[in-house]
Amino acid sequence: GDSVTQMEGPVTLSEEAFLTINCTYTATGYPSLFWYVQYPGEGLQLLLKATKADDKGSNKGFEATYRKETTSFHLEKGSVQVSDSAVYFCALRQGAQKLVFGQGTRLTINP
Amino acid sequence: GAGVSQTPSNKVTEKGKYVELRCDPISGHTALYWYRQSLGQGPEFLIYFQGTGAADDSGLPNDRFFAVRPEGSVSTLKIQRTERGDSAVYLCASSLQRGGPSGELFFGEGSRLTVL
Repeated sequence: GDSVTQMEGPVTLSEEAFLTINCTYTATGYPSLFWYVQYPGEGLQLLLKATKADDKGSNKGFEATYRKETTSFHLEKGSVQVSDSAVYFCALRQGAQKLVFGQGTRLTINP
Repeated sequence: GAGVSQTPSNKVTEKGKYVELRCDPISGHTALYWYRQSLGQGPEFLIYFQGTGAADDSGLPNDRFFAVRPEGSVSTLKIQRTERGDSAVYLCASSLQRGGPSGELFFGEGSRLTVL
């Protein structure tokens, strides 16, 4: 079945550092890809998405590019802030079906 | 608030007891999803409703778990004869119609279930 594998955490960085969280997927067909974020004490919320190969999703300074050839959707940010501390989930969705999530990566940014 | 509302936020129960968890989706959202999130893991799909009917219940782990959505709005997840392994955060999400392949799911804050 479809699956998502994320870089294991936790990840700890200093403020203004460059961030990469790796995500690869296995799927039949051409899924849509998502990054969701869960801030402390809050529900999951959509961070960005891409629906086809070579699309780049972006939001709040974060970016991820849908790479069909490497089945990847790595999350990047050029300069992280303390407020980016959260758990990040990569996910895929085939058609109108369920979202399939990775295991999550906890990110902590120190001032 | 206009978001997805879940109650209770916390539930502690004893092994063998019956539990109900409620989800109130965003008004007008016809699709509703239940997920279960164990500590340190990503959310796992349980069941998906389109309107009143369960369109996909392939994620329900066994027949102790059941969910309903009788009027196409509020949904209740029911767990019979709870076991310690049922302890997790139960998440509800809703979306517009089927949302399409890129449709956004809006999540509630979850109901944390602890089975002693």
